[in-house]
Amino acid sequence: DQQVKQNSPSLSVQEGRISILNCDYTNSMFDYFLWYKKYPAEGPTFLISISSIKDKNEDGRFTVFLNKSAKHLSLHIVPSQPGDSAVYFCIAGGTSYGKLTFGQGTILTVHP
Amino acid sequence: DSGVTQTPKHLITATGQRVTLRCSPRSGDLSVYWYQQSLDQGLQFLIQYYNGEERAKGNILERFSAQQFPDLHSELNLSSLELGDSALYFCASSVGNGAVTGELFFGEGSRLTVL
Repeated sequence: DQQVKQNSPSLSVQEGRISILNCDYTNSMFDYFLWYKKYPAEGPTFLISISSIKDKNEDGRFTVFLNKSAKHLSLHIVPSQPGDSAVYFCIAGGTSYGKLTFGQGTILTVHP
Repeated sequence: DSGVTQTPKHLITATGQRVTLRCSPRSGDLSVYWYQQSLDQGLQFLIQYYNGEERAKGNILERFSAQQFPDLHSELNLSSLELGDSALYFCASSVGNGAVTGELFFGEGSRLTVL
């Protein structure tokens, strides 16, 4: 049962344009969401998070949007840079759930 | 450098064998998590320990076991290995007890190849 789904396995974007990575979840107990980035041969690293009491969180070029009614979140990267090329994981968790659930990941490629 | 250390980085073994993967969490972190990443798969949560005690269990096979020692390092034991166990095994740590509202810090992973 895939409780966190990233339906796009890959995304290709031109440098300077916007990258939008999407994530859907099914479990209503999730109330905290994170995005992690992973480069080859490295462990995932934290990028940005959002609590369910918010619908938007921004950190520099990265913005995460949360639509609780649709059980959908998205990560926007503006402007995209070649160094952003990595695998992005959407992760759901929460204060009452007790563990994190990862999506399958989306491979982002930003072309110069 | 996340501060989480995993050894070995690479391991090649045969079916039916047993291996132990080791993880040293960041200084001060009480929770250790183990994840498995197989080919074309996202990270699958295996198990979490908090301050020496098992806190949460995910999709961990009965052939696998883990423990966290008094010095907070953790070991993941994989036995009766099968070809399908070939994967990248990540350890992560956090300060909190797993009702996670903060970051996890991941190690670089241990790549297990079962031949």
